[in-house]
Amino acid sequence: GQQLNQSPQSMFIQEGEDVSMNCTSSSIFNTWLWYKQEPGEGPVLLIALYKAGELTSNGRLTAQFGITRKDSFLNISASIPSDVGIYFCAGMSRGRLQFYFGTGTSLTVIP
Amino acid sequence: EPEVTQTPSHQVTQMGQEVILRCVPISNHLYFYWYRQILGQKVEFLVSFYNNEISEKSEIFDDQFSVERPDGSNFTLKIRSTKLEDSAMYFCASGDGLNEKLFFGSGTQLSVL
Repeated sequence: GQQLNQSPQSMFIQEGEDVSMNCTSSSIFNTWLWYKQEPGEGPVLLIALYKAGELTSNGRLTAQFGITRKDSFLNISASIPSDVGIYFCAGMSRGRLQFYFGTGTSLTVIP
Repeated sequence: EPEVTQTPSHQVTQMGQEVILRCVPISNHLYFYWYRQILGQKVEFLVSFYNNEISEKSEIFDDQFSVERPDGSNFTLKIRSTKLEDSAMYFCASGDGLNEKLFFGSGTQLSVL
């Protein structure tokens, strides 16, 4: 299957700090999705990206579709304790009906 | 807000037994998926389903697995003869195919003993 690597693997930050994480693929994708997963729950969709270079925000979250179409980035500004969780990217190629998931970035916010 | 619902939330079974995991996708969605997540690992694609047939499946989705949409609302995953390594959280997801967003249920935690 497709390899999607996320970095960093884990982050420990102070409340109020900004967070940046990224996702890189060995293949070109036409859609990127970013999810947050909390323990024992399913992934919750945060942001969807459809075009190379696209920058989309959802509250304190901003994600970008990389211009090479092989990467995507997620930023969280002014982190708060409830941002804790694992963040996954997911990519899909045109004409395919499966999303490939990244390896995840675990975020811990220290109050 | 419409959501994907999965039952049961937990399933414990003996190795070799058959299990059926149930999902009710969001009502106007046309594309249905099963994913699984082994504890601490990433979410892995199993199968996608559209127009009453399998569209794509991964190498994990072998002959022991099957999916069915028995009526207009349910979408099921059957594991015919469970193995220890089938223990995982199984997620159902659905999408409307228009905006390529995928919405997940809360999952069924399957434990094979």
